[in-house]
Amino acid sequence: ETGVTQTPRHLVMGMTNKKSLKCEQHLGHNAMYWYKQSAKKPLELMFVYNFKEQTENNSVPSRFSPECPNSSHLFLHLHTLQPEDSALYLCASSQSQSGSSYEQYFGPGTRLTVT
Amino acid sequence: GENVEQHPSTLSVQEGDSAVIKCTYSDSASNYFPWYKQELGKRPQLIIDIRSNVGEKKDQRIAVTLNKTAKHFSLHITETQPEDSAVYFCAGSAGDKLIFGTGTRLQVFP
Repeated sequence: ETGVTQTPRHLVMGMTNKKSLKCEQHLGHNAMYWYKQSAKKPLELMFVYNFKEQTENNSVPSRFSPECPNSSHLFLHLHTLQPEDSALYLCASSQSQSGSSYEQYFGPGTRLTVT
Repeated sequence: GENVEQHPSTLSVQEGDSAVIKCTYSDSASNYFPWYKQELGKRPQLIIDIRSNVGEKKDQRIAVTLNKTAKHFSLHITETQPEDSAVYFCAGSAGDKLIFGTGTRLQVFP
């Protein structure tokens, strides 16, 4: 157990649905991340949050909306997705210090299928 | 921004042989280079990392080398075992953002 949990583990949704992915870390970290992992582009960074503030949006379409209410929780709100958004969505967390990088701990991921 | 390229995309070796995976990066400001292993159906996990003030780091059968001048770093696995079979990702970072390579699928045959 790495201390990063994600729910749900599997999600099937239609293109008109609205759903949310949840991530929680129990490691005392201050940085959290969303990644998309698909066969075409493995481990593609989507968003970065540092101390609850978004510091990176990697040109992600607005149909993906992140939310970080505190340093332990991260959400990804989904609406009007496309079939090409089907992928494994991974959450990660790490320590945070300006100008330095640290090991990122990944959650188990949510396997999303858009029909 | 940073761009990380990884080769080869697949690698098959006989048990006991060595495996080498190579990555190049573009941002000279990058100072942290981790390697992650992802077994089938599981989450990526860090196996070794190196910072830019070090040229080589070793942990049992795994070693990483870094050439800052050429902007490339490599993962070396010696005495490979079937349980080493997985996808390996390199990454480069300057700051709080990791940019990952495209991954190498390593298969170790008994």
